[in-house]
Amino acid sequence: SSELTQDPAVSVALGQTVRITCQGDSLRSYYASWYQQKPGQAPVLVIYGKNNRPSGIPDRFSGSSSGNTASLTITGAQAEDEADYYCNSRDSSGNSWVFGGGTKLTVL
Amino acid sequence: QLQLQESGPGLVKPSETLSLTCTVSGGSISSSSYYWGWIRQPPGKGLEWIGSIYYSGSTYYNPSLKSRVTISVDTSKNQFSLKLSSVTAADTAVYYCARQVGAIDYWGQGTLVTVSS
Repeated sequence: SSELTQDPAVSVALGQTVRITCQGDSLRSYYASWYQQKPGQAPVLVIYGKNNRPSGIPDRFSGSSSGNTASLTITGAQAEDEADYYCNSRDSSGNSWVFGGGTKLTVL
Repeated sequence: QLQLQESGPGLVKPSETLSLTCTVSGGSISSSSYYWGWIRQPPGKGLEWIGSIYYSGSTYYNPSLKSRVTISVDTSKNQFSLKLSSVTAADTAVYYCARQVGAIDYWGQGTLVTVSS
C-alpha cells in the first residue's frame, strides 16, 4: 500500500480550475513532486519543490502544501491536460521515495 | 539534453533474475548531487519507485523490494543497472530509468519486461 494517498479520479469542465490532492505523513517534512502521464508515454515532471515548474510546463500548473497534504492545481484546464497525475515524495523514514496511487483527470 | 535509454531482455522466466541497464547520454553519471534510479509500472497500474543510487555510490531501495534488488553504476560506460532476483508474474511491468534530484526530472522511454515461462 502507498504511503501517499490520492483520489483515483477527478473531473473538470474545460477552462475551469481543478485541484488534485496527495496526503501522507511524510509531506509534513518533505515537498511532493508531481508528474503527468499520458497513455503510452513516460511521466513528465510538472511541479517540484515549494512550487516550481520545469521549463516548458504551462503556468496554469501550480503546487502548494499544507500540513500532510500537497496539492496540484490546474487553473483553466485544457483538453490536453487529461492524463494521470502522480505525486512523489520521500517516505516517512526519509530513506526511500514513494508514489501516490495516481489520479485520473478527465476534462469534460 | 540529457537522455536515458533502458536496455535488456523483454522476457524473463519465473524465479530468474531480471537485469536492465540504463545508458545515459548528454551528461555525466558522475555529476554530483544526482540520484540515478528505477521506477516500474505494471500494466494498467500506478508507478512504483524501485530504488536509486547516489553519485557517491550510496543506494536506496523500496523496503518492499529491498531483499531482491541491486542497483549499481558503471561510470566508465556512463551506465547504471538494475538486478531484480527471484521474479514472479507480479514483476511484469514497464521499467523506467530516471535521474532524480529530489524530483525525477529526466526519464527513459521505458521498457516492458514480461515474466513468463
